[in-house]
Amino acid sequence: SSELTQDPAVSVALGQTVRITCQGDSLRSYYASWYQQKPGQAPVLVIYGENNRPSGIPDRFSGSSSGDTASLTITGAQAEDEADYYCNSRTSDNHLVFGGGTRLTVL
Amino acid sequence: EVQLLESGGAFVQPGGSLRLSCAASGFTFSSYAMSWVRQAPGKGLEWVAAIIGSGGSPYYADSVKGRFTVSRDNSQNTLYLQMNSLRAEDTAVYFCAKEEDYFFCSGDCRHDYWGQGTLVTVSS
Repeated sequence: SSELTQDPAVSVALGQTVRITCQGDSLRSYYASWYQQKPGQAPVLVIYGENNRPSGIPDRFSGSSSGDTASLTITGAQAEDEADYYCNSRTSDNHLVFGGGTRLTVL
Repeated sequence: EVQLLESGGAFVQPGGSLRLSCAASGFTFSSYAMSWVRQAPGKGLEWVAAIIGSGGSPYYADSVKGRFTVSRDNSQNTLYLQMNSLRAEDTAVYFCAKEEDYFFCSGDCRHDYWGQGTLVTVSS
């Protein structure tokens, strides 16, 4: 199975733009999905596919991909966006792999 | 409203067994693949197992293959995870999650609904 690598922690000033990245070989073949998890809560899907948002997810969340790297961008970060963010993707051997997660702090 | 409610978590000794359940409601259960995902205390998410809508074609992470069995009862709208030969490293909150497709990760893997999780503690 392949791995997905994320930066452990990222910070952003309130109202500014932040990019969270996810790198792995599987991303050359498959799209990443992105999840937001706040303390004590279940993960919430925020981005999937090429750049799709589930109903109810603010449009300040967007996704992109290039080569072996997928990115989640928050344009105009809000205090409520402070959370852990996880990417995942399928692998060529029919597994599902998660990145290690990125803790986002909004300053 | 989609709801997923896990149960069955408990304190168990190493080598023991446990069966988790996930009761689903608010959607046509048999039309969607389901996964189990776990999270050790203070750690990240780890996919454990998945099963397609019909109940065939189970998939397992290498870390649990041969010890865990995923199954579903579509007549009862319930997903199961039978866990045998439990180890300390299996200690985690176990979430069930609904996929947005009948098949497991067809195209991309996206889980649009999650339960709140059930805690499994393996310790002597």
